[in-house]
Amino acid sequence: RKEVEQDPGPFNVPEGATVAFNCTYSNSASQSFFWYRQDCRKEPKLLMSVYSSGNEDGRFTAQLNRASQYISLLIRDSKLSDSATYLCVVTHNAGNMLTFGGGTRLMVKP
Amino acid sequence: DTAVSQTPKYLVTQMGNDKSIKCEQNLGHDTMYWYKQDSKKFLKIMFSYNNKELIINETVPNRFSPKSPDKAHLNLHINSLELGDSAVYFCASSFLPGANVLTFGAGSRLTVL
Repeated sequence: RKEVEQDPGPFNVPEGATVAFNCTYSNSASQSFFWYRQDCRKEPKLLMSVYSSGNEDGRFTAQLNRASQYISLLIRDSKLSDSATYLCVVTHNAGNMLTFGGGTRLMVKP
Repeated sequence: DTAVSQTPKYLVTQMGNDKSIKCEQNLGHDTMYWYKQDSKKFLKIMFSYNNKELIINETVPNRFSPKSPDKAHLNLHINSLELGDSAVYFCASSFLPGANVLTFGAGSRLTVL
C-alpha cells in the first residue's frame, strides 16, 4: 500500500462546478499536510496547507480527518485555469520529509 | 529572475552514457533536494543537502551521485544510464531541512534510449 494514495482521475467537470478530491495516508504519525498543484509539464507549487480545523483560501477548502487518515480539497466555482494535477503531500517524523501522492488530474471544460 | 533554475531542461541520451544535471537557487535557502517524477507521476525524493552536507539519501542506485559545491548549488551526476532512469528530475530548495514549503525548479526531462 502506498503511503499517500489519491484517485488519479481525470475528473472532468464543467466551469462553475464544485469538485472534491480525497487523499488517504497510511502513516498515523503524519504531522503536516498540504496540497500542491502541478500544471502540465511544469513544476509542483504549494497550493495550501491543511490545518486540523480545516481552512479556506478563496474558492479552495481543505479539510483533515486524522481519525480516518484522509485529507480533502474542495474547489468551488471551477475555472478553466484550475485544470491541473493536485498533489496531496504529508510529512511525518522522519526528518519531516515530504511524501507526495500520485496526484489527481482535474480538467475543467467550458 | 528564476528562483530555482536547473539545466538542461531536456536531455536525450543513449543507455550506458553518463550525464549531469545542474541546479542553482538564488533564494538564500540552506537546503536543496533532488526529486524524481516517473511516468506514473509519483514524486520521490532522492537526496537532500543542508548547507553542502548530505542529510537524506534514499535508496537510490549508486550510479546517482549528487554534489553540492556550495549551498546555492546541487548537481546530479548519473553514470551508466539505464532505460528506467527516464523521468523528470526536479531540483527544489527550502529554508531549512524539513521545511514544509519547497520551491521547485522547472524540471529536467531525461529520456534514455
